Amino acid sequence: DSGVTQTPKHLITATGQRVTLRCSPRSGDLSVYWYQQSLDQGLQFLIQYYNGEERAKGNILERFSAQQFPDLHSELNLSSLELGDSALYFCASSVEGLGYTFGSGTRLTVV
Amino acid sequence: GQNIDQPTEMTATEGAIVQINCTYQTSGFNGLFWYQQHAGEAPTFLSYNVLDGLEEKGRFSSFLSRSKGYSYLLLKELQMKDSASYLCAVRDGTGGFKTIFGAGTRLFVKA
Repeated sequence: DSGVTQTPKHLITATGQRVTLRCSPRSGDLSVYWYQQSLDQGLQFLIQYYNGEERAKGNILERFSAQQFPDLHSELNLSSLELGDSALYFCASSVEGLGYTFGSGTRLTVV
Repeated sequence: GQNIDQPTEMTATEGAIVQINCTYQTSGFNGLFWYQQHAGEAPTFLSYNVLDGLEEKGRFSSFLSRSKGYSYLLLKELQMKDSASYLCAVRDGTGGFKTIFGAGTRLFVKA
């Protein structure tokens, strides 16, 4: 157990639907990062939050949004889902300046 | 922008040494990471270099040359369990501390 908790582990949904992925960072970590990894692709940076504030943004689609709550857990919302959104979505947390600790990921399948 | 290049695949023999190279271009370099990722699993942190030189940690060592935009990960005494993808990642301090990952090098260790 890495200390970063992601739920759900698996999600199957239809095109056009909306889903919410949840992440609880490791105790003491203020930063949360979201990454998307499609089949045989590298990790694509989506967005970072630090202590509730958005800090950095990657190539995140407008259909996707995220937030970090006062208890530091974060949610990634994916809407108007398309087949191409099927991927592993990883959340990671860190203490600034150190390596990331990743959660086990949410495997999203859009059918 | 950022660009990270590493070989797509490498094959090595159990007990041998393998070096995985990574070259990068980034405007706001703030450190380089190596992660190991087994198929379908979360990446796990291996090493972090922010200054030039070699960092050694057991069977794994990582080297950085900031002037050349170059790093390598050295794996010694290869074991079958080292078969995995190895991700080079660069932390960029421009507009927030986001870490950009390369596509990864898939290492196959054969008996």
